[in-house]
Amino acid sequence: KAGVTQTPRYLIKTRGQQVTLSCSPISGHRSVSWYQQTPGQGLQFLFEYFSETQRNKGNFPGRFSGRQFSNSRSEMNVSTLELGDSALYLCASSLVAPSRVPHNEQFFGPGTRLTVL
Amino acid sequence: GIQVEQSPPDLILQEGANSTLRCNFSDSVNNLQWFHQNPWGQLINLFYIPSGTKQNGRLSATTVATERYSLLYISSSQTTDSGVYFCAVERLIQGAQKLVFGQGTRLTINP
Repeated sequence: KAGVTQTPRYLIKTRGQQVTLSCSPISGHRSVSWYQQTPGQGLQFLFEYFSETQRNKGNFPGRFSGRQFSNSRSEMNVSTLELGDSALYLCASSLVAPSRVPHNEQFFGPGTRLTVL
Repeated sequence: GIQVEQSPPDLILQEGANSTLRCNFSDSVNNLQWFHQNPWGQLINLFYIPSGTKQNGRLSATTVATERYSLLYISSSQTTDSGVYFCAVERLIQGAQKLVFGQGTRLTINP
């Protein structure tokens, strides 16, 4: 079974631009969660989607948004990029919504490394 | 919120050595996972271990939920074991289950 895939793997943008990242979960998984990893803050939860609905959200500004499609693929968008948005963005998939059902193992993709100049 | 502390932050060993990584958490949790982040950034699932002991080859993990800690053991280390090891706990926060990560242990295995 194929793992979680993320595209693109690397991205360079300038301040003020916007960016869209894509995540395809493991076949059969219906939940996708997004995380931001930076050297200073570590791994931080962004949001979680299940059945095309945002179920859970972390403490990030409204510039960060996402959506999920009927095939469970998810995209996240960051508008008006800032230097501090440079990070590794990871998505994780799970069978059901971790926000509602505990004991739910999550599997991560390879990440998208975003650099904002 | 819940605090997840990993120790040591850095560990440098020679190939063939054994190591123990620790994860302490400040409150009860529903789930605990150990991950290995490879040099390319991908988080590889090692163990899904809310309690008890599991083994997978040279790696094993033990979680004592009542005492709020988990240990990851690596025996006969190899250079490919290098990377950052994270533990993550799942906790009900503001009505939703959330995965909270520790800061990681950076393991370097020298040949």
